[in-house]
Amino acid sequence: QVQLMESGGGVVQPGKSLTVSCEASGFSFSSYNMHWVRQAPGKGLEWVAIISFDGSNKKYADSVKGRFTISRDNAKNTLYLQMSSLRVDDTAVYYCAKDVARRYYYGSGTDVWGQGTTVTVSS
Amino acid sequence: QSALTQPASVSGSPGQSITISCTGTSSDVGAYNYVSWYKQHPGKAPKLIIYDVVNRASGVSDRFSVSKSGNTASLTISGLQAEDEADYYCNSKRGNTTLYVFGTGTKVTVL
Repeated sequence: QVQLMESGGGVVQPGKSLTVSCEASGFSFSSYNMHWVRQAPGKGLEWVAIISFDGSNKKYADSVKGRFTISRDNAKNTLYLQMSSLRVDDTAVYYCAKDVARRYYYGSGTDVWGQGTTVTVSS
Repeated sequence: QSALTQPASVSGSPGQSITISCTGTSSDVGAYNYVSWYKQHPGKAPKLIIYDVVNRASGVSDRFSVSKSGNTASLTISGLQAEDEADYYCNSKRGNTTLYVFGTGTKVTVL
């Protein structure tokens, strides 16, 4: 069964750091580009970051650039999002998502999503 | 990083067709054939409907069809059913520092 499972969310103070993880199973994790997408309470979806299948290329939303780092460990089938200098407006459910196709470029569409992990930034 | 523009809500009766528009710019929707559409029920993860502008995701009904003209992409749901009631989001690749952008979201109500 193709599955993604996020973990590591929690309550953190503004300015602090937190790392969330996403464990993949049921598919060849090392063959797919992977995304992080977040959704603030009562708001729409916001794309956060993407990493290429081999980890050699990474892109970020302007809102998190310089503060968040996406990474992956293909040996452990795990995707990470390191978040630093957290702000109140980073409060959201964070989803990891798998590219719909094996490709060497960035297309569109993510067909498998985790259940999400909640990050709350509050003093 | 402004979001793509979608109508806040669209409604229709069972069996009818509805269309959700997604308007961007010449730097995103108009520039790339990399538009996707998602359906999301409250409190659940999004589900992929369409990818790379015209491709239906696995298992998605052919009641869902798409088109793109200039800077606007559209999703049409034909033969509206109660199960179609959800929030719908478009997404496009964007040619600047933020690589992807989502739409503002549309709440579909089946009357």
